[in-house]
Amino acid sequence: SAVISQKPSRDICQRGTSLTIQCQVDSQVTMMFWYRQQPGQSLTLIATANQGSEATYESGFVIDKFPISRPNLTFSTLTVSNMSPEDSSIYLCSVEDLAREQYFGPGTRLTVT
Amino acid sequence: GENVEQHPSTLSVQEGDSAVIKCTYSDSASNYFPWYKQELGKRPQLIIDIRSNVGEKKDQRIAVTLNKTAKHFSLHITETQPEDSAVYFCAASITDQFYFGTGTSLTVIP
Repeated sequence: SAVISQKPSRDICQRGTSLTIQCQVDSQVTMMFWYRQQPGQSLTLIATANQGSEATYESGFVIDKFPISRPNLTFSTLTVSNMSPEDSSIYLCSVEDLAREQYFGPGTRLTVT
Repeated sequence: GENVEQHPSTLSVQEGDSAVIKCTYSDSASNYFPWYKQELGKRPQLIIDIRSNVGEKKDQRIAVTLNKTAKHFSLHITETQPEDSAVYFCAASITDQFYFGTGTSLTVIP
């Protein structure tokens, strides 16, 4: 399976600021995704990161709040913009391999004060 | 879109007993059904999956069954051990979209 790393692993941010989370994969993958997982909750898909084009956002998530970049097949970033305490969550990137198996990064624990 | 329901939300079993977690899905186009185990503070890990052309798949103590007609699939863990304690998520996939269940917190009591 692919090895996925995320940076930072955790951060504490002030309201109104932005944080960019990086996701790096050790091999080229077609599909990359960004999820949010609030404490004790399931995984909510934010968007699919498309290489070379705009990300595809799920209902309830917009590009102005969660801009995503994917400059190549091994790297993606998610920015959480103009943060509020409600954005406190764990953010996970994931990749899908050719067998359609999905693997998750270690997550970024974000706390907004 | 796809809607995945998962039951129960919590499950406690004695060590050595079996545990069963059930999920239902709504979209008959879903054709791939993975299960993830998430230990406290860690990332979800894929533990087993099944595709729509198969009715059952087994890997040591874990097995998954799929009933396409009824649109439900289940995870079975036999001879449970304390290290099986975790939150388990089912998912249903259509092409490259994954839809997750709400999770089952499994506690195995020694």
